[in-house]
Amino acid sequence: EVQLVQSGAEVKKPGESLKISCKGSGYSFNNYWIGWVRQMPGKGLEWMAIIYPGISDTRYSPSSQGQVTISADKSITTAYLQWSSLKASDTATYYCVRLDPRNFQFDPWGQGTLVTVSS
Amino acid sequence: SYVLTQPPSVSVAPGQTARITCGRNNIGSKSVHWYQQKPGQAPVLVLYDDSDRPSGIPERFSGSNSGDTATLTISRVESGDEADYYCQLWDGGSDPVVFGGGTKLTVL
Repeated sequence: EVQLVQSGAEVKKPGESLKISCKGSGYSFNNYWIGWVRQMPGKGLEWMAIIYPGISDTRYSPSSQGQVTISADKSITTAYLQWSSLKASDTATYYCVRLDPRNFQFDPWGQGTLVTVSS
Repeated sequence: SYVLTQPPSVSVAPGQTARITCGRNNIGSKSVHWYQQKPGQAPVLVLYDDSDRPSGIPERFSGSNSGDTATLTISRVESGDEADYYCQLWDGGSDPVVFGGGTKLTVL
């Protein structure tokens, strides 16, 4: 069974750094794009970034470029999303997703990581 | 990248048919995917490549895509279908992923 298991909820202050994780299992981690989708409270889905672990190729949405960093550790089949300086507007649930290479749909989704940034 | 247009809400009585649209110029030339998100849960893929169902998704869920509109159709709607539904496609290029704004399906 293909699974994406994300790290737990975080509460941070503005200006702090954060790295959340997503462990993939049940498939060849190196050979599928894996990425992150943001959902702000009460809002819709926004893609942020994807990475192809086999060659560390990355893509960012225009709004995420420069704001976050996506990375992956192939040895432990884990992807990460990192912030160097959080803002209150980063408060959201972040979903880890695997991209199917045939038609480019996201399946499966991780359970979500709630990040709360508040002073 | 381009925005996909969905109606904010659709309401339907139990047992009736719900249709949720996703619009964009010439969307029929792309593969469209649909996700269901129930309150407090992660989204789940319910249709991919316009009309294919992943394993475990009921046959009541079907889809079409032509011209400027893709449509998710839910037949014989049940109370358990009440959720937000999002369409998505892959545009390629530097900003490849596009989501619709989401539609809240209410079962009356």
